[in-house]
Amino acid sequence: QVHLVQSGAEVKKPGASVKVSCKASGYTFMGYYMHWVRQAPGQGLEWMGWINPNSDGTNYAQKFQGRVTMTRDTSISTAYMELSRLRSDDTAVYYCARGGIIGTTQNAFDIWGQGTVVTVSS
Amino acid sequence: SYVLTQPPSVSVAPGQTARITCGGNNIGSKSVHWYQQKPGQAPVLLVYDDSGRPSGIPERFSGSNSGNTATLTISRVEAGDEADYYCQAWDSSSALFGPGTKVTVL
Repeated sequence: QVHLVQSGAEVKKPGASVKVSCKASGYTFMGYYMHWVRQAPGQGLEWMGWINPNSDGTNYAQKFQGRVTMTRDTSISTAYMELSRLRSDDTAVYYCARGGIIGTTQNAFDIWGQGTVVTVSS
Repeated sequence: SYVLTQPPSVSVAPGQTARITCGGNNIGSKSVHWYQQKPGQAPVLLVYDDSGRPSGIPERFSGSNSGNTATLTISRVEAGDEADYYCQAWDSSSALFGPGTKVTVL
């Protein structure tokens, strides 16, 4: 069965960085895009970008360019999302979500991690 | 930039049909996906590519897309369908979500 399991909750101070992990199982990790989506308290879903685990290529939403870095470790089928220069409005639940097969476009996010709560507070 | 619109809320009685719209300029030319999110849970894919249904999703959930409006239809609504529903599409190389619709079962 396909699963995405994320790391635990984080509390960070403004200006710090946070790195969230997402371990995939039950499918070929390098065969699908991995996306990151966040949701602020009481708000909607916001797409942050994707990583191609096969090529290490990335595509970030314009809003997060310069602050977000998505990486992966293929040896342990794990994707990472690091967000730097944290602000209070980065407080949110961060989700990883599996996208489409590498090379395809316009795909849905069919499998989601359980979410990681990141709280930014002084 | 491309914008998706959804009604903030929809109310429906059990056993009736709920229709949730997702508006966008010529959205019929895009593939639209729909997600259900219950409180405290991660989103779940309900419909992909306008009208496809993933394995395990009941036939009560269906989608359509034409012109400037995509629609998620929930037939024979049950109490357990009470949730937030989001549409999603791609604009160039960026994924976009609608603002979400809260479905209340009366």
